[in-house]
Order: sequence, then C-alpha cells, then structure tokens
Amino acid sequence: AQKVTQAQTEISVVEKEDVTLDCVYETRDTTYYLFWYKQPPSGELVFLIRRNSFDEQNEISGRYSWNFQKSTSSFNFTITASQVVDSAVYFCALRSNFGNEKLTFGTGTRLTIIP
Amino acid sequence: SQTIHQWPATLVQPVGSPLSLECTVEGTSNPNLYWYRQAAGRGLQLLFYSVGIGQISSEVPQNLSASRPQDRQFILSSKKLLLSDSGFYLCAGGIGLSTDTQYFGPGTRLTVL
Repeated sequence: AQKVTQAQTEISVVEKEDVTLDCVYETRDTTYYLFWYKQPPSGELVFLIRRNSFDEQNEISGRYSWNFQKSTSSFNFTITASQVVDSAVYFCALRSNFGNEKLTFGTGTRLTIIP
Repeated sequence: SQTIHQWPATLVQPVGSPLSLECTVEGTSNPNLYWYRQAAGRGLQLLFYSVGIGQISSEVPQNLSASRPQDRQFILSSKKLLLSDSGFYLCAGGIGLSTDTQYFGPGTRLTVL
C-alpha cells in the first residue's frame, strides 16, 4: 500500500524567512510520481510540481525548490524568502506509474507567513 | 491546458435529500476524471475515478455514486444525504495513462444539516 506522511501539521514563519515542508512516502512500486499541490484559502488545489522517480535532480522554480532523495523516500519543498501570499495548505502526493492512477495524499501542512 | 469547472460552489442540504454535483472539463478529450472529498481539516480521499464514458470505479463504499454520461462530464450523486457527507468535493482531470498530472476544479463545499 502507498502512504504519504507530512509530519508538520502547521508551520508559522515570519515573512522573508525560508521554510521547508517535509514529505516522506512509502511505496512498493519501482516507478512512481511525486507531486506537490498548494491549497489557498479559496480551496482550489493548485499544481506546483511533478517529479518522476527516475529523476532525482533537484528542481528550482523562482523562490520554490524541491529536494528529492530516493534513498530516504523524501520529497521536501523549500520556499525561500517567504511572502504572505505563500500562506496556504500544502499537500504532497504519490502516484503509481502503473494501473490505477489515483493520487495518495498526505494530510497537508498549513503554512502561515506572518507579515 | 485543461480547465475544470464545478458547480455549485456551495450547497446546504438537509439530511435525506438528494445530491447532484457536476464537473465538466475543457481543453482536452478523453481525460481521466476523479472525485475527491476533503473533510474539514483533513487530507483528500479519492471517491471515484473514470477512464471513459460509462466507466466508473469506486474507491470507498458509501451512499454516493458517480456517472460519466459524456466524455467531459462527471457527476457525483446521492439519493439520500447523510450528515457525514458534509465536506469539500473536488473534481480532478488528467490526460494520458502514465504521465498525467491531475488538475483540480474550484470545488464544491457541501454542508448537510
């Protein structure tokens, strides 16, 4: 069975600080995809990134960066120089590359950026 | 890119009443479609998914059902709502079988009283 753990339920940081959101996953599949989604107060889930299990290169997009480490089954998300607009609930998700394409979500991390 | 539409945005229904939530997709054909539910302060739970017209798979046994009458239309229904059906319902769509990314609609917030 697949499982995603986001141990940090809530995080608060002061604006302009860096913050890292942790994600640990479990799967027996040899190939899979990992995702991060942002859920602002409006409720809609916004896709941020997809990472194939074959590709362990870290990725940077503006103030966002992702650290994928297969050896520790982790896919952590860092926001640099945080802004108030980054306040949201962030979900990490896992999807097998075969058969059922359903996403297994973590329980989310609520991030609050204090102005 | 594809766009997911959902309506209504909010709904308040009495226990025992029927339910119909609609999801439509723009900008793609033959998408995989999904219904998720998010209970207050919780993660997302997959309810149903569909790989084509008339093809529905259920993940969680419950009093909800889903139908896909058209390629880009996905409907979530119930004949009699329960209090426990309250939550935030999200429709998602993906393209392809091995490389899809699920994009989500704006959601419907359902309160059963």
